[in-house]
Amino acid sequence: GQNIDQPTEMTATEGAIVQINCTYQTSGFNGLFWYQQHAGEAPTFLSYNVLDGLEEKGRFSSFLSRSKGYSYLLLKELQMKDSASYLCAVHPSNYQLIWGAGTKLIIKP
Amino acid sequence: DVKVTQSSRYLVKRTGEKVFLECVQDMDHENMFWYRQDPGLGLRLIYFSYDVKMKEKGDIPEGYSVSREKKERFSLILESASTNQTSMYLCASSVAEYEQYFGPGTRLTVT
Repeated sequence: GQNIDQPTEMTATEGAIVQINCTYQTSGFNGLFWYQQHAGEAPTFLSYNVLDGLEEKGRFSSFLSRSKGYSYLLLKELQMKDSASYLCAVHPSNYQLIWGAGTKLIIKP
Repeated sequence: DVKVTQSSRYLVKRTGEKVFLECVQDMDHENMFWYRQDPGLGLRLIYFSYDVKMKEKGDIPEGYSVSREKKERFSLILESASTNQTSMYLCASSVAEYEQYFGPGTRLTVT
């Protein structure tokens, strides 16, 4: 079957760094997405990794290892507004995405 | 600016009613998707469409149907609403395999 695993919840402190992991087992792989979703709102696109390595975009970076079926989202200089759920999604072989259940990130002052 | 709109933010319907949820995108995207999202579960795909009048079943199509008569519009229909269809419904659109853009969601309650 196809499966994506993420931690259910994480807590971090304002100003710190947090890493949210995602492991996947899918029948194919064309890319991996990270989305941010604030409570009661729609998901918004953060990053897209196709090749192995680290992609940096401001305070957010995303890493991919295709051989290990592993990705992480790194958030630096955490702000209170980063409190949200972070969704990992894999594009296996067609236009559909396989979604993880999401990681709820709680930021404390 | 990219925009996906959904007909209602909140909707309350009775068991057995026929429910229409409409989604409109202004980006000329070929692909459109309907998901439902429930606490503790990931986004689950109900149906998607890759062209006008074309549709494909997702993971949980039972109890739902869709219609795409125009490129910009994708409708989700609950033929006879049931309480287990109480959920957040999200519409999205995309170009090819690239990122999906989501509408604000419709929180449907079936009583």
